[in-house]
Amino acid sequence: AQTVTQSQPEMSVQEAETVTLSCTYDTSESDYYLFWYKQPPSRQMILVIRQEAYKQQNATENRFSVNFQKAAKSFSLKISDSQLGDAAMYFCACGGATNKLIFGTGTLLAVQP
Amino acid sequence: GAVVSQHPSRVICKSGTSVKIECRSLDFQATTMFWYRQFPKQSLMLMATSNEGSKATYEQGVEKDKFLINHASLTLSTLTVTSAHPEDSSFYICSANPGGGNNEQFFGPGTRLTVL
Repeated sequence: AQTVTQSQPEMSVQEAETVTLSCTYDTSESDYYLFWYKQPPSRQMILVIRQEAYKQQNATENRFSVNFQKAAKSFSLKISDSQLGDAAMYFCACGGATNKLIFGTGTLLAVQP
Repeated sequence: GAVVSQHPSRVICKSGTSVKIECRSLDFQATTMFWYRQFPKQSLMLMATSNEGSKATYEQGVEKDKFLINHASLTLSTLTVTSAHPEDSSFYICSANPGGGNNEQFFGPGTRLTVL
């Protein structure tokens, strides 16, 4: 079984600043994957970044990076140089051998101009 | 990139009727598709795993006779909400996985169901 916890229902960041969204997870699988998805008002789910648990190196995609702490079961998302278009709901998710995803409750990110 | 479509995008129906939602992978084959339900301001809740050529696997608490899933081909899965009631009103999202070691899910744009 897998559980994903996002403890920040809402976050706010100034444009051009950096923000970190928190996520912790629990899983009984030894081989699993972690994801951050963005859901804008259109409600289309967009993959932001993913991390294979067996990889020690933190994933990076342009302004988005993660801090993956496997022992602590923590998977935070850092957004650098925040832009107005980053405003959305962000979901952390965990997937395993069956490929089905378990999502956290989400963090609503507001970007202030 | 991989594209997943859903049809319809919005549907309004009367209580007691059945509604079918289609999920298609447009440029890849998907042996597995997933159906999620999302209530307003809440997270995505996995309902079931749709398996091509075999029965769907339902998550605990999801009524299989209420939510019928058919994965007729490698590019199409359908979700039928039978005898819909107002409490079934929600946003339904499907996702598909290309398989072959690719663990990424590609999501459809969702279907908003309103049951009057």
